Amino acid sequence: SQELEQSPQSLIVQEGKNLTINCTSSKTLYGLYWYKQKYGEGLIFLMMLQKGGEEKSHEKITAKLDEKKQQSSLHITASQPSHAGIYLCGAGPRSGTYKYIFGTGTRLKVLA
Amino acid sequence: DTGVSQDPRHKITKRGQNVTFRCDPISEHNRLYWYRQTLGQGPEFLTYFQNEAQLEKSRLLSDRFSAERPKGSFSTLEIQRTEQGDSAMYLCASIERLAGQVPTGELFFGEGSRLTVL
Repeated sequence: SQELEQSPQSLIVQEGKNLTINCTSSKTLYGLYWYKQKYGEGLIFLMMLQKGGEEKSHEKITAKLDEKKQQSSLHITASQPSHAGIYLCGAGPRSGTYKYIFGTGTRLKVLA
Repeated sequence: DTGVSQDPRHKITKRGQNVTFRCDPISEHNRLYWYRQTLGQGPEFLTYFQNEAQLEKSRLLSDRFSAERPKGSFSTLEIQRTEQGDSAMYLCASIERLAGQVPTGELFFGEGSRLTVL
């Protein structure tokens, strides 16, 4: 079955620093989703990528999906304390299943 | 549109008791998911509904777990004879009606129902 591996598992950065979170799939991705979660709360949608080489940005967050569609990166520029939380990558349903799967998450802390 | 609503947000129960969680999806969404999330892990798929039909269930959904969506609107997840290992956040998500059989868009998540089994 398909699995998503995220790295790093946790990250502590100083406010203003840039950072990158990676998500690697064991199989070709047919839709890659990035979500943010604050502790004890639900997931907030950030971005969806579907095409190899696609790149999307929202405010200071940029996500890319590589050409082979097996790896994605999330880059935050000039981090702020409001960026703190858990970032999760998710993969859309493949043939034969309706389920979305998720990585184990990257815990980000931004020091003011 | 008030988003996906889950109730209760928190539930503390004693081992062996039954608990039920409710999810109200976004009104025009006919597809609904239940996930379970434990500390330090990503959400794990439990089950999927299209309208009132339960189309997929995970092996995680033991016979103590049952989910329903009787009228294709709200859904309930019941856990019977709770065990300490059931302690987790139970997340509901919905997705809008799309052409074709397999959903391909963004899942909208509720705030979750946190279960603690003592």
